Amino acid sequence: DAEITQSPRHKITETGRQVTLACHQTWNHNNMFWYRQDLGHGLRLIHYSYGVQDTNKGEVSDGYSVSRSNTEDLPLTLESAASSQTSVYFCASSELSGGSDTQYFGPGTRLTVL
Amino acid sequence: AQSVSQHNHHVILSEAASLELGCNYSYGGTVNLFWYVQYPGQHLQLLLKYFSGDPLVKGIKGFEAEFIKSKFSFNLRKPSVQWSDTAEYFCAVNFKAAGNKLTFGGGTRVLVKP
Repeated sequence: DAEITQSPRHKITETGRQVTLACHQTWNHNNMFWYRQDLGHGLRLIHYSYGVQDTNKGEVSDGYSVSRSNTEDLPLTLESAASSQTSVYFCASSELSGGSDTQYFGPGTRLTVL
Repeated sequence: AQSVSQHNHHVILSEAASLELGCNYSYGGTVNLFWYVQYPGQHLQLLLKYFSGDPLVKGIKGFEAEFIKSKFSFNLRKPSVQWSDTAEYFCAVNFKAAGNKLTFGGGTRVLVKP
């Protein structure tokens, strides 16, 4: 069955370190998204991609970067981790354009920055 | 900026009670509407969605939602809840003018007491 996976599931790091969270989907979807989930804020969009070599900034993109070198993967990099980036991170993917399709979510990565 | 509001942050009710969760969005032209559920320790799953047609949408597990365009609302309902409905519920809106992105509400945590 097609799926979307994230790794690691849990990560503890120190302030200032670079961290990369992996997202891999086997749906062959063009669209991929990264969100962070914080209490009271719901999910906020960090970055998104509509296809290979395409990346776009979301609502809370400062301190994060992504790259899309193939259809299946959209890694999220924290260039210099900050305590404010302690959160749960979800990756999602969808197929069709115009938002007329369901986004499928991965299991999440819980990141703690000390 | 487009926004989505969920009025109740926490809801506590007993089994067999009826549930209604409010969701309002800012004006933004044509929209696609979604409700997602996140059970404890799990990733987000789609409950139901509205793209067009009948404004009363039925989803999985006995949930339904009604789109009222004049009120910019998409409220979620279930006539009789079960303990297994304990979860966090998220309303999400695709403002089509903004592309394929979803804007999420802050979420409502529902606790169903047995």
